[in-house]
Amino acid sequence: DVKVTQSSRYLVKRTGEKVFLECVQDMDHENMFWYRQDPGLGLRLIYFSYDVKMKEKGDIPEGYSVSREKKERFSLILESASTNQTSMYLCASSLNPFLRGRGGETQYFGPGTRLLVL
Amino acid sequence: KNQVEQSPQSLIILEGKNCTLQCNYTVSPFSNLRWYKQDTGRGPVSLTIMTFSENTKSNGRYTATLDADTKQSSLHITASQLSDSASYICVVSLHTGGFKTIFGAGTRLFVKA
Repeated sequence: DVKVTQSSRYLVKRTGEKVFLECVQDMDHENMFWYRQDPGLGLRLIYFSYDVKMKEKGDIPEGYSVSREKKERFSLILESASTNQTSMYLCASSLNPFLRGRGGETQYFGPGTRLLVL
Repeated sequence: KNQVEQSPQSLIILEGKNCTLQCNYTVSPFSNLRWYKQDTGRGPVSLTIMTFSENTKSNGRYTATLDADTKQSSLHITASQLSDSASYICVVSLHTGGFKTIFGAGTRLFVKA
């Protein structure tokens, strides 16, 4: 079974703090993704990565950065947290190196991190 | 504009009853459509995936249909159970040179005893 884990289930931070969200997958997947999920909206892609040290902007990258130093780990960074970044953050991974994250493969999601920025 | 719309937003049914969730999309060029189930406090889990040439796919009590002509999909749940209470998300992928996957906002299903 694929397992995607996220470092925290719940997180409370103050405005202006630097926030790190960690994601680890144990199935040697090439692709990894960070989404945010807000009520009434579909999942929105922040960043994705199809290889170590490779990253691509998603639909809403502003205010976020990512790091992928190892294949199994993909980190999301909020350089200076703001209240509008309060959300549920979901990490996902997928296997299909040939499609390179083109959306043709099934994504496996972590349990999510619910972030509250005060 | 590429969009995925789901209806209803929420639904309450009695245990043992059947229900059907709808997904309409305007995504083009179409690659595939997936339905995910998301339990409260958890990440989504894939239920079915269908390509252009498939019009029905089953996974236990879940049956998804796809009409690529009208750009509609449905997820039918048979003999509902309390554990079916969850959000069901329709996801459509584009067949382009770049990455694009569009998520619907989901239908929240409540199954009552």
